[in-house]
Amino acid sequence: KQEVTQIPAALSVPEGENLVLNCSFTDSAIYNLQWFRQDPGKGLTSLLLIQSSQREQTSGRLNASLDKSSGRSTLYIAASQPGDSATYLCAVTLYGNKLVFGAGTILRVKS
Amino acid sequence: EPEVTQTPSHQVTQMGQEVILHCVPISNHLYFYWYRQILGQKVEFLVSFYNNEISEKSEIFDDQFSVERPDGSNFTLKIRSTKLEDSAMYFCASKGDANTGELFFGEGSRLTVL
Repeated sequence: KQEVTQIPAALSVPEGENLVLNCSFTDSAIYNLQWFRQDPGKGLTSLLLIQSSQREQTSGRLNASLDKSSGRSTLYIAASQPGDSATYLCAVTLYGNKLVFGAGTILRVKS
Repeated sequence: EPEVTQTPSHQVTQMGQEVILHCVPISNHLYFYWYRQILGQKVEFLVSFYNNEISEKSEIFDDQFSVERPDGSNFTLKIRSTKLEDSAMYFCASKGDANTGELFFGEGSRLTVL
């Protein structure tokens, strides 16, 4: 059974800092991996999608990497801002195309 | 930008009542999903739907749950007789490509069962 783990569970950083969020999964048989942002009481906003054949994807200040063989992904946020404060979720798409989610990392960027 | 829309945003109901949650997926998408998130817990898969039938469902999705695509745009989740433990945020999602496509979520419908 696929398990997705995210570390750390919570992170508090000063504005401007670069940071890394970690995601690991137990079964490398995935189609892709998606990173989402969730604001309190809100829906999930897709940030980046990495196909299983890709190593990384970039969007603005965000960079996500994928090492499928070791079951790991990282989300790198450059020059963090208070508006980046949210919960960041990692999810893998399994064969059969459902997503399995991690519990998320709660990020707080202090001004 | 195309988006998944869900209604209602919040519904309060009495235990045992039927509830229908509504979703309008992105118009050219073919694959539709319901997920739920109990407060403080992970987002969990409920059901996937393609070509007018369920393609996969989780153990959570028992006989009390059903989904329907009554017309070309709506996708509904019905809970026949709600229980206290059905209280959660329910998210509808859609994508255009089965395996490699990006999944887009709606803002969610918060269901509170009293």
